[in-house]
This record gives sequence, C-alpha cells and structure tokens, in this order.
Amino acid sequence: AQKITQTQPGMFVQEKEAVTLDCTYDTSDQSYGLFWYKQPSSGEMIFLIYQGSYDEQNATEGRYSLNFQKARKSANLVISASQLGDSAMYFCALGSSDFLTGANSKLTFGKGITLSVRP
Amino acid sequence: KAGVTQTPRYLIKTRGQQVTLSCSPISGHRSVSWYQQTPGQGLQFLFEYFSETQRNKGNFPGRFSGRQFSNSRSEMNVSTLELGDSALYLCASSFPGTQYFGPGTRLLVL
Repeated sequence: AQKITQTQPGMFVQEKEAVTLDCTYDTSDQSYGLFWYKQPSSGEMIFLIYQGSYDEQNATEGRYSLNFQKARKSANLVISASQLGDSAMYFCALGSSDFLTGANSKLTFGKGITLSVRP
Repeated sequence: KAGVTQTPRYLIKTRGQQVTLSCSPISGHRSVSWYQQTPGQGLQFLFEYFSETQRNKGNFPGRFSGRQFSNSRSEMNVSTLELGDSALYLCASSFPGTQYFGPGTRLLVL
C-alpha cells in the first residue's frame, strides 16, 4: 500500500523568506515518483514539481525545489522568496511504478498543508 | 496546448437528483481520472478511464459511474445524490508519469 503523510496543519511565512513543507511517504515500489501540487482557493490543482525515485539530483523548478531524502522517505518542498500569491494548500502525491509507465493514473495524495504568506 | 477543461464549474442540486460532470483532457492524453475532494476526507480517487475503458476504481458506491468517449472526453455521473456528495470534483488528464488537473466542479447538494 502507498501512503503520503503531511502532518503540518498550517504554516506561516513572512513574504520574501523561504519555507519548507514536509512530506513523508511509504511505498514498496522500487521505482516511483513524487509530486507537489498547489491548490489556491479557486480549487484548481496546479502542478509544481516532480522527483523520480532514481533521480540523483534534487528537482528544482524556479522558486520551488524538492529536498529528496530517499533513505528517510521524505520529499520536502522548499519555496524560496515567498510571495503573497503562494498562499494556498499544498499537496504531496505519490505515483507508483505503474503510474510512471502509464499502466495506471492513480496518485496517492496527502492531506495537504495550508501555507499563509504574511506581508 | 489547451489545458484540462471541466464543465460546469458550479452546480447546485437537491437530494435524490442525479448529476453529470464533463471533462476534456489535454490533447493527446488518453487517460482521465476523477477525484473527489471534501474537507473531511481529503482527495479520494474515484476512477480512471483509458481508451474508453475503466481501468481503475476507488472505493465509492455504485451511484458513482463514468464513461469515456472516443475523443478521450469523459463524463462522471452521480445518481440519487446525497448531502455527503457535496464536494469539489477534480478531473485529471494523464500521460505516463504526469498528471494535470482541471479547475474542478463544485457540487452542492441541498
């Protein structure tokens, strides 16, 4: 069974500062993918960043980076230079080896973390 | 490329009615997945369609059903609506290793 754990109920960060959102996962697959999505109050899930289990380098995408620690089964999202528009819910999700090959399209999501950016 | 589109965006129904939601995936994506999001249960996988066939199903009652057309557009149907069906329904368009979501349909059941 696959599981994502996001335990931080809510996070606050000052504008222009960096913030780390925690995510731990559990899977028996050797090959898997980790995703982060942002969900503003409008409801749309916006893809932010992806990390494959065999990627040797941590993924980066603009102000987003993923601190991937495979042995600890953690995939924390780091947002640098926070902006007011970063205030949203953030979801970590896990895709199985079948997901990566296209054999299925089911992602397992965590409960999400609410991030509030203070001016 | 156009993104994932969902219609309608908002819907109000009464208990016992049925509802149909529509999703058009990104061009070239053959897989469409549906998720239900509620404050209490979070994001839950409903089902997935690939090449007009249901390929995966979550743990939802038979009142929830779906289909996919030859152009990959998908519909989901909820019959005999209950108050607990009030939720944000998200459609996702997938290519191997990627998944993009539509804006969602907010359903309120009164």
